[in-house]
Amino acid sequence: DTEVTQTPKHLVMGMTNKKSLKCEQHMGHRAMYWYKQKAKKPPELMFVYSYEKLSINESVPSRFSPECPNSSLLNLHLHALQPEDSALYLCASSLHDRAPSLPQHFGDGTRLSIL
Amino acid sequence: EDQVTQSPEALRLQEGESSSLNCSYTVSGLRGLFWYRQDPGKGPEFLFTLYSAGEEKEKERLKATLTKKESFLHITAPKPEDSATYLCAVQAMEYGNKLVFGAGTILRVKS
Repeated sequence: DTEVTQTPKHLVMGMTNKKSLKCEQHMGHRAMYWYKQKAKKPPELMFVYSYEKLSINESVPSRFSPECPNSSLLNLHLHALQPEDSALYLCASSLHDRAPSLPQHFGDGTRLSIL
Repeated sequence: EDQVTQSPEALRLQEGESSSLNCSYTVSGLRGLFWYRQDPGKGPEFLFTLYSAGEEKEKERLKATLTKKESFLHITAPKPEDSATYLCAVQAMEYGNKLVFGAGTILRVKS
């Protein structure tokens, strides 16, 4: 079992719906990440939060809105998604994002399908 | 041009048949190289971090090595449960805190 917990595991939504993905870790990590992974492709970075502040936004469309309410929680709010947004959304955390590089630990993801 | 290239794309082994996976990189200012294992429908599972050329790490049947331009993941006497996609990722000065992933190697071990 992974120490990064993501809910829900599966989500089906229409293009006009609003939903949220949730990620939680209790390892005391201060860097948290959202990735998008399409089938048979590696994960692609979307956002990085460092000490609860957004530090990297990889030019992600505004229909994806991240939020970090506290050091243990990371949310991804979804609105007006497109069918091409269907993917596995992965959350990861690391002790911090400063040098030296520290490993990121991933959750098992939310499988998102857009109708 | 890809900064991180993994080969082969897919590898089929018989149980007990040792082999190696390759990860070559062209980034400058390497800060760390990471190996992950990913099972279908799951998130990547962290295996190793390597920081400098000459470094080696071992875990059960897996051994990771690093040179200035590539890393190898050696699998000794694999078992069917080693079947997974193995991902290599690098963090480098030119990319700040971003992990750059290779496309992965799909490993199938048959009994």
